[in-house]
Amino acid sequence: QVQLQESGPGLVRPSQTLSLTCTVSAASIGSGTYYWNWIRQPAGKGLEWMGRVHTSGITRYNPSLKSRVTISADTSKNQFSLKLNSVTAADTAVYFCARGDQMFTWLDPWGQGILVTVSS
Amino acid sequence: EVVLTQSPATLALSPGERATLSCRASQSVSSYLAWYQQKRGQAPRLLIYDASNRATGIPDRFSGSGSGTDFTLTISTLEPEDFAVYYCQQRSDWPPMYTFGQGTKLEIK
Repeated sequence: QVQLQESGPGLVRPSQTLSLTCTVSAASIGSGTYYWNWIRQPAGKGLEWMGRVHTSGITRYNPSLKSRVTISADTSKNQFSLKLNSVTAADTAVYFCARGDQMFTWLDPWGQGILVTVSS
Repeated sequence: EVVLTQSPATLALSPGERATLSCRASQSVSSYLAWYQQKRGQAPRLLIYDASNRATGIPDRFSGSGSGTDFTLTISTLEPEDFAVYYCQQRSDWPPMYTFGQGTKLEIK
């Protein structure tokens, strides 16, 4: 079945750029059928959708993050990536990647998540 | 922007009982409502999409209902593995995005 796996540094310094990669297996992101999403969850809190990418190049971002976030896809590696710049302690969270449909109606499956801590 | 309000915040029940979780939208979201289960330390898992359709592999004790602004997730007979946090999620037309409720924690009584 389709699996997603996040990877990247677990510690980022304040004001720096957080960079994560999601590797997809058992499905080709280049098929164009689905959209590839990033969601985050601070400890003990709820879920916040950050944005998504389609391999056509179309991206959508949460307006609350739009000026700081970039999501891109690399079909040759079957991966998609997240960059969040100018991070602060408030960006400390578990970051999940997930596959989604065109209409924003579901997310499935999700990666296991990766904890990123912003600290000096 | 549509806001989703889940109730109750915490629900304490015993295995074998019936659970009813509510999700209310601040404006109509038609039937574009999904439910997720999240166990401690795990990623969310899709249970229900389009308000009432079970995702692949989800047991039939889970059911969803509702449309417009009021939605319900029902677990007919609680199993020990069902105690978790449940989130509802809807699509926002503008800006186009996913929005989640704040979650309901289902705990063992």
